[in-house]
Amino acid sequence: DGGITQSPKYLFRKEGQNVTLSCEQNLNHDAMYWYRQDPGQGLRLIYYSQIVNDFQKGDIAEGYSVSREKKESFPLTVTSAQKNPTAFYLCASRPPPGQGLNEQFFGPGTRLTVL
Amino acid sequence: RKEVEQDPGPFNVPEGATVAFNCTYSNSASQSFFWYRQDCRKEPKLLMSVYSSGNEDGRFTAQLNRASQYISLLIRDSKLSDSATYLCAVSSFTGGGNKLTFGTGTQLKVEL
Repeated sequence: DGGITQSPKYLFRKEGQNVTLSCEQNLNHDAMYWYRQDPGQGLRLIYYSQIVNDFQKGDIAEGYSVSREKKESFPLTVTSAQKNPTAFYLCASRPPPGQGLNEQFFGPGTRLTVL
Repeated sequence: RKEVEQDPGPFNVPEGATVAFNCTYSNSASQSFFWYRQDCRKEPKLLMSVYSSGNEDGRFTAQLNRASQYISLLIRDSKLSDSATYLCAVSSFTGGGNKLTFGTGTQLKVEL
């Protein structure tokens, strides 16, 4: 089945630890995105990548890092510098230009809780 | 002013009712517009793209008004299963590429 997978579904972390969230897609999409969602605040863009080996900061990149070494994979690291890391993290990808209207498709999300 | 704004609701409506949501956006250069549906503790799922001419998919109708910079979603004959949060999203190009900006979502509760 084609789609976007995120793992794990639930993640617990002790304060001060870094943690990496996985995002994989087999849709052959070039562009991938990371968002966080907090209650009442909608989705906020953390980082995005339009192509392999390139990525851009979103609106709330502080305390996060990403890599894009493969087209299929866009892992997000939540570092200890992130002040309020507890949130629902969503990964998305977008079809290439000409194959849509720039809509994005989401993975099932990872719910991170910092203890 | 937020880039994309929605009334958070909740909208509590009886089954069978017609309900409409609006979403305003501030960037006049925005290019594409979407409605997503998000169930509790799940990921957003694309409901419909919004075209300038308006588009309909069964009980759902989406409209775009570029002059007034808003998009709307109309749901006819509401079902219990329509209960969810509806997010509008607006696409724009920046120096780094294409981005979607989301509203905070409007919560719909359809009741018996």
